[in-house]
Amino acid sequence: GAVVSQHPSWVICKSGTSVKIECRSLDFQATTMFWYRQFPKQSLMLMATSNEGSKATYEQGVEKDKFLINHASLTLSTLTVTSAHPEDSSFYICSARVLAGTYNEQFFGPGTRLTVL
Amino acid sequence: AQKVTQAQTEISVVEKEDVTLDCVYETRDTTYYLFWYKQPPSGELVFLIRRNSFDEQNEISGRYSWNFQKSTSSFNFTITASQVVDSAVYFCALSEALRSFNKFYFGSGTKLNVKP
Repeated sequence: GAVVSQHPSWVICKSGTSVKIECRSLDFQATTMFWYRQFPKQSLMLMATSNEGSKATYEQGVEKDKFLINHASLTLSTLTVTSAHPEDSSFYICSARVLAGTYNEQFFGPGTRLTVL
Repeated sequence: AQKVTQAQTEISVVEKEDVTLDCVYETRDTTYYLFWYKQPPSGELVFLIRRNSFDEQNEISGRYSWNFQKSTSSFNFTITASQVVDSAVYFCALSEALRSFNKFYFGSGTKLNVKP
């Protein structure tokens, strides 16, 4: 199957700093990437849908100025958590979508664990 | 309204017992996809199965089996002869083909504890 990578796999930062998380589709081109957030012992919640070359679409309640998403190429999307605070500590997972026959396959990255001190 | 409901928050079984994880979904689309994922402590989602709305055949893969019933909007997952390595959080998910660009709606997850 197709591989999606995320970098870094974990990061610890101080409150007030910005953190960038990369999501890459390694062996396929993804026109659409999705970003999810998962708090401890909770489900994955979709944050935003990112289409290559256009602005991301954010889910209700997600601050677009805080979570900046850039999808500059068909293999890379980045999520930047600006001015991170402890409440932003979470597990961030991306997924990349590729057309496979009549179905849009979606492959998930391994996740990035963010801890804000 | 919640699109995917996993009513069982946590289940504990003893090794070799069979266990069924329930999943009930809600959608207005006629074309949709249902998934099960396993999330071990490492956090990485492990794909288990995808089923489209037009295929109600039950599926068996080794110790895993899935029962899809459109009449009750359910897509249940059974592990036969459970093993300690099956301990994880299991998520059921729905993707609507025509709406929402295949966004995934995840259930709240069921944590399975298999004790030796």
